[in-house]
Amino acid sequence: DSGVTQTPKHLITATGQRVTLRCSPRSGDLSVYWYQQSLDQGLQFLIQYYNGEERAKGNILERFSAQQFPDLHSELNLSSLELGDSALYFCASSGPGGRVAEAFFGQGTRLTVV
Amino acid sequence: AQSVTQLGSHVSVSEGALVLLRCNYSSSVPPYLFWYVQYPNQGLQLLLKYTTGATLVKGINGFEAEFKKSETSFHLTKPSAHMSDAAEYFCAVSGSFSGGYNKLIFGAGTRLAVHP
Repeated sequence: DSGVTQTPKHLITATGQRVTLRCSPRSGDLSVYWYQQSLDQGLQFLIQYYNGEERAKGNILERFSAQQFPDLHSELNLSSLELGDSALYFCASSGPGGRVAEAFFGQGTRLTVV
Repeated sequence: AQSVTQLGSHVSVSEGALVLLRCNYSSSVPPYLFWYVQYPNQGLQLLLKYTTGATLVKGINGFEAEFKKSETSFHLTKPSAHMSDAAEYFCAVSGSFSGGYNKLIFGAGTRLAVHP
């Protein structure tokens, strides 16, 4: 158990809909990272938050947004869903400091858009 | 900018044979390097990491990797493969960004198959 909790584990929704994925980092970790894993794109970095502030942005679509709350949990919002958004979405967390020494991954949320 | 290249999307070995998974990186700053493993329907689990110090790093499950700065490589090895090693392996690099914050950049992954 990595200590990172993601909910829900599975999500099936229709095209055009909006979903929210939730991540609770390990206790004490300030950084949260979101990744998308799909068969054709591999593991793609989406966005990073550090102590409530956005710190790095990757290949995140404009239809997607995220935030980190004062209690450090994070949510990834996906809207106007398309079939191509079907993927495994991972959250990871790491501790304070200027460089990630180790990131701990959750079990992921498998999103299926039908 | 940082990037990672994993040579070989699929590697197949016999049980008991040497496992060698290749990873090359580029980084404009001294890198931190990682290998993660992903078993089917599971999240990523850290195998080992290099931050500073000894360039030969030992990880879990008998894996090790050597940081070679001159070759910008961080290849993963295991002397004797076991059936349970069948999984996908990801090499990752991190580096400092402005403000001291950072992200992990992953390679495309190498799927390891182990056959009897």
